[in-house]
Amino acid sequence: DAKTTQPPSMDCAEGRAANLPCNHSTISGNEYVYWYRQIHSQGPQYIIHGLKNNETNEMASLIITEDRKSSTLILPHATLRDTAVYYCIDNAGGTSYGKLTFGQGTILTVHP
Amino acid sequence: ETGVTQSPTHLIKTRGQQVTLRCSSQSGHNTVSWYQQALGQGPQFIFQYYREEENGRGNFPPRFSGLQFPNYSSELNVNALELDDSALYLCASSLAPGGNPGANVLTFGAGSRLTVL
Repeated sequence: DAKTTQPPSMDCAEGRAANLPCNHSTISGNEYVYWYRQIHSQGPQYIIHGLKNNETNEMASLIITEDRKSSTLILPHATLRDTAVYYCIDNAGGTSYGKLTFGQGTILTVHP
Repeated sequence: ETGVTQSPTHLIKTRGQQVTLRCSSQSGHNTVSWYQQALGQGPQFIFQYYREEENGRGNFPPRFSGLQFPNYSSELNVNALELDDSALYLCASSLAPGGNPGANVLTFGAGSRLTVL
């Protein structure tokens, strides 16, 4: 079972920032947080990952709280193409590399 | 750089039959993982192949089996199909497992949708 919890759905207006929360209260010290998204009829797509520092790439920003029990994925200027299911996953690596446990994710709907 | 390709994209089988799904990994990746995604659910890990051997398995019965070939491509075989096997089967490739959090950066294919009647 997934160890992260996410809201089942969220809405966002096009052009605005989308902030997707994730709780990972049982995360251990060596577990990274990974975010993937799945657009309809496609396979999941990697977005970003982090350990304890905030991270930013061309797709999104990841803010991890100091206690590491929660994080927020930020899409700074959401577009209609960002409508997708977003998954937050924690994984310790080692023998678990590549063996990701997906939960139900958050369905993000971006409106015009 | 080519991505992950899967075939076939759609197929229909009947209960009791066998199916083989195929996957070509992304260039530069030597590890392949397979996932099953039922309608409305997140993907569930089936197993992973590295160096042509199974390198971990999720909670799936032995009638789910796989192969990895020297060119890193892979097959997923399911015997004695059941109605509950109807799902999207996703293949993902990645770098070698272990030592690098980047190994959890998986590149997924678009999947093979299996319907069992």
